Amino acid sequence: EVQLVESGGGLVQPGGSLRLSCAASGFTFSSYSMNWVRQAPGKGLEWVSYISSSSSTIYYADSVKGRFTISRDNAKNSLYLQMNSLRDEDTAVYYCARDEVAAILGDYYYGMDVWGQGTTVTVSS
Amino acid sequence: DIQMTQSPSSLSASVGDRVTITCRASQSISSYLNWYQQKPGKAPKLLIYAASSLQSGVPSRFSGSGSGTDFTLTISSLQPEDFATYYCQQSYSTITFGPGTKVDIK
Repeated sequence: EVQLVESGGGLVQPGGSLRLSCAASGFTFSSYSMNWVRQAPGKGLEWVSYISSSSSTIYYADSVKGRFTISRDNAKNSLYLQMNSLRDEDTAVYYCARDEVAAILGDYYYGMDVWGQGTTVTVSS
Repeated sequence: DIQMTQSPSSLSASVGDRVTITCRASQSISSYLNWYQQKPGKAPKLLIYAASSLQSGVPSRFSGSGSGTDFTLTISSLQPEDFATYYCQQSYSTITFGPGTKVDIK
């Protein structure tokens, strides 16, 4: 079964740090690029970060740039998100999601086709 | 960044109704548009990719159309399990999601 399982969430004080993990199983993890997406309580989805299959390409949302670091270990089938200098507004459920690519008429289209169940991060004093 | 808007923000409908949700991009994104469904307490589910391609396993009552800046998600005959929030998302540049459309029971 194709599966993503996040862990590492919890309660942290403003200015603190947390490291999220996402364990992949049931597919060749090293062949897929991955994303972190978050959802604040009662709010919509916000993309956080992207990492290519080989870690050669990384992107961040402006809201987390300079504070969060995405990484992966293909040997361990794992994705990570190191979160530093946490703020109240970082409180959210954090999802990892797999990028699937479809080739259509010579163009490549990406969609997040597998998601984890999410891990909750609460930033509060 | 490319901004995504959706309309309506919420709608009430009955089982069997035809439902249409609109998504608009702040600039042309060709067909780099995906649709997701999310139920309370659950992760999002990919429904449509590349604006009109149905994700494997998704019922054929879901369809997508559009290109450029204007896109539509249509549910041809609403089923009880379709009551959820729907998000569009562009992958033309740095990923952004629309604000969501909540579909609830009339």
